[in-house]
Amino acid sequence: DAGVIQSPRHEVTEMGQEVTLRCKPISGHDYLFWYRQTMMRGLELLIYFNNNVPIDDSGMPEDRFSAKMPNASFSTLKIQPSEPRDSAVYFCASRRDRTNTEAFFGQGTRLTVV
Amino acid sequence: QQQVKQSPQSLIVQKGGISIINCAYENTAFDYFPWYQQFPGKGPALLIAIRPDVSEKKEGRFTISFNKSAKQFSLHIMDSQPGDSATYFCAATFGGTDKLIFGTGTRLQVFP
Repeated sequence: DAGVIQSPRHEVTEMGQEVTLRCKPISGHDYLFWYRQTMMRGLELLIYFNNNVPIDDSGMPEDRFSAKMPNASFSTLKIQPSEPRDSAVYFCASRRDRTNTEAFFGQGTRLTVV
Repeated sequence: QQQVKQSPQSLIVQKGGISIINCAYENTAFDYFPWYQQFPGKGPALLIAIRPDVSEKKEGRFTISFNKSAKQFSLHIMDSQPGDSATYFCAATFGGTDKLIFGTGTRLQVFP
């Protein structure tokens, strides 16, 4: 299995632009999580899905952030408009089911907003 | 109540020494406590985990010690090696939620 795949690995964009991060979870995993990692705040859970349905988006910082999971093999995290304070590493993780608690992380997307 | 507090923020250990990272939590509903290891440029990966029905779990050089009454748990790395240099995150969750709450991370550097 290729693991959780994220793209792009690096993204540099100008303030005000729209940014879309992509994630392909491990096949057969029911859960998908989006995390943001910064030096100051560590790993923050933004939103998670169960069977493609958003369950908890309380960690999404603002209305500028949105996430979708149109099918079991694809999810996007969109920031519109982007701001310099959104600069961080964004991780996607998947988990098989509620019983299997291990989360498998992708390699992350390093976002820089200038 | 959802927080997991982790210390120290960074740790420098000599090769062969013992690395100790501590975490504390408030929510007594937490019932699963994993530790994740992250190398530069990579995503976190599960290292070892414990449930509160045991006070200690050991896997190779890595040991979790758990103190339920104090609501604290720690990671001990015995005979630390340069290859252990990474960032370590403690985390917690409970059966009533799917959320995994992470500590702020400890950057460990092991020097030869």
